[in-house]
Amino acid sequence: KQEVTQIPAALSVPEGENLVLNCSFTDSAIYNLQWFRQDPGKGLTSLLLIQSSQREQTSGRLNASLDKSSGRSTLYIAASQPGDSATYLCAVSNDYKLSFGAGTTVTVRA
Amino acid sequence: NAGVTQTPKFQVLKTGQSMTLQCAQDMNHEYMSWYRQDPGMGLRLIHYSVGAGITDQGEVPNGYNVSRSTTEDFPLRLLSAAPSQTSVYFCASSLGGPYQPQHFGDGTRLSIL
Repeated sequence: KQEVTQIPAALSVPEGENLVLNCSFTDSAIYNLQWFRQDPGKGLTSLLLIQSSQREQTSGRLNASLDKSSGRSTLYIAASQPGDSATYLCAVSNDYKLSFGAGTTVTVRA
Repeated sequence: NAGVTQTPKFQVLKTGQSMTLQCAQDMNHEYMSWYRQDPGMGLRLIHYSVGAGITDQGEVPNGYNVSRSTTEDFPLRLLSAAPSQTSVYFCASSLGGPYQPQHFGDGTRLSIL
């Protein structure tokens, strides 16, 4: 059974600092990995999708890396802003299903 | 373009009652899925569908039924509500399965007394 872990569960940083969010998974036989953002009381918004054959994916200030063999992905958010405050979840796909981590809740202090 | 719409947004039930959570999407997505989100546990897959008439079980299917008679709609039925089913329920859809970006609804917050 795929287990997805995100550490830490919560993170608080001052505005302007770079954010580093971690995701680990136990079964490396994945098809891809997705990063999502969730605002309080809302659904999830897809941020980045990395195919298993890729090493990284970038979108604006966001960069996600994937090391499939070691079961790890990292989401980098450059020059954080108060609007980046949210919960970030990662999910891996295999066997036609997505397995989610519990998320990291980020607070960016102005 | 409404995306994924879930109704109701909030619901309180008594133990033993039944109800249906509605999910509709207007993007002509073949793949739809239901998750529950509990504190500290992330999202867990309940049921999913790869197209009209085709459904399958996820990680935590017990106590829930689904059907998919149209591409647009994927309702989730609670047969006999239990307090352990108190949770936030999310519906998601995508064009080509879990291998493409997922579009989520805003969720249904369900409390069972």
